[in-house]
Amino acid sequence: ETGVTQSPTHLIKTRGQQVTLRCSSQSGHNTVSWYQQALGQGPQFIFQYYREEENGRGNFPPRFSGLQFPNYSSELNVNALELDDSALYLCASSSQDREQAFFGQGTRLTVV
Amino acid sequence: AQSVTQPDIHITVSEGASLELRCNYSYGATPYLFWYVQSPGQGLQLLLKYFSGDTLVQGIKGFEAEFKRSQSSFNLRKPSVHWSDAAEYFCAVGPYSGSARQLTFGSGTQLTVLP
Repeated sequence: ETGVTQSPTHLIKTRGQQVTLRCSSQSGHNTVSWYQQALGQGPQFIFQYYREEENGRGNFPPRFSGLQFPNYSSELNVNALELDDSALYLCASSSQDREQAFFGQGTRLTVV
Repeated sequence: AQSVTQPDIHITVSEGASLELRCNYSYGATPYLFWYVQSPGQGLQLLLKYFSGDTLVQGIKGFEAEFKRSQSSFNLRKPSVHWSDAAEYFCAVGPYSGSARQLTFGSGTQLTVLP
């Protein structure tokens, strides 16, 4: 049990729709990172938020966006869903860069 | 650009046997190296990490890894595998010591343990 919770655990969306995934950080953590893990692959870094500001982004298009709230929980938003967006989305929280990050169990998104 | 290669997609070992999972990386600066484990339906759990110093690193669950700069490798080992070790293992490299920022993961090695 890492204290990082993600919701929902599973969802199915139609191509072209928009989706919001949520992550509740472990208590005391002000940094959250999001990863996309396609089937059979390793996770790929999407972006990180620190104290409500984006402070690092991977090679993902602008239709992937995020928010971090004052309580340090976070959202990942994906617009104009494509079939290739089907994946497990993981978030990880930490207290700062030098501290260990803890991953949630992920949200399995299926785009049909 | 940084990259991580895990040459073995799937490894099968008998319970009690020794285990070595291979990882090769490409990174322009001093790398921070990590091994994570992922069980079905679970997130990633950190097994161990290497920043500097002793090139043999001890982790949780009896795992260890050895950093070899000359070979750009960071192989994971365990002397005696338990059935509960069956899972997928990911090697990762990143620019930061602890957080999950900008980690580059390999494609993983699936471990099956035979009774």
